[in-house]
Amino acid sequence: EVQLVESGGGLVPPGGSLRLSCAASGFTSSSYWMHWVRQVPGKGLEWVSRTNRDGSSATYADSVRGRFTVSRDNAKNTMYLQMNSLRGEDTAIYYCAREYYGILAGHYSDIWGQGTLVTVSS
Amino acid sequence: DIQVTQSPSSLSASVGDRITITCRASQSINDYLNWYQHKPGKAPKLLIYAASMLQSGVPSRFSGRGYGTDFTLTITNPQPEDSATYYCQQSYSAEWAFGQGTKVEIK
Repeated sequence: EVQLVESGGGLVPPGGSLRLSCAASGFTSSSYWMHWVRQVPGKGLEWVSRTNRDGSSATYADSVRGRFTVSRDNAKNTMYLQMNSLRGEDTAIYYCAREYYGILAGHYSDIWGQGTLVTVSS
Repeated sequence: DIQVTQSPSSLSASVGDRITITCRASQSINDYLNWYQHKPGKAPKLLIYAASMLQSGVPSRFSGRGYGTDFTLTITNPQPEDSATYYCQQSYSAEWAFGQGTKVEIK
């Protein structure tokens, strides 16, 4: 079964750090670009970050650039999100998603994890 | 950055109605526009990709159209299980973006 499973969420004080993991199974993650997306409770989906197949390149939303870093270990079929200098507004469910690309289909996220909750609070 | 603006923010409809949600991009994105359905406690689900292509397994009552900056998602004869929040997403630029979401209630 093709699936993504996030882990690593929890309670962290403002200014603290946390690392999330996204484990892929049922497919070779090194063949796909991957994303992080979050949802603040009661709010909409917010795109966070995107990394290429080998992890050598990444882009970030303005709200997290300079504080969050995405990486991946393709030998472990796992992607990570290192979150530093956390703020209350980073409290959210964090989802990882696979990006599919087709010449006529464009880019879209076809596989999503169930999410992991990060709570930033003292 | 390319932003996408969705409307309305919420709506209520009945079985047998026709629902239309609009999404407008801040600049042309060709057809790099996707639609997702999101229910509480669940992972988002892809409905439509490339503006008008129906994802495998998605009921044919869902349809999308548009090109450039203006796009629509239509649900024809919505069912109670279609109650959810719907998001458009642009994948034209290196930094993707979601619309604000439309909460749909089917009575």
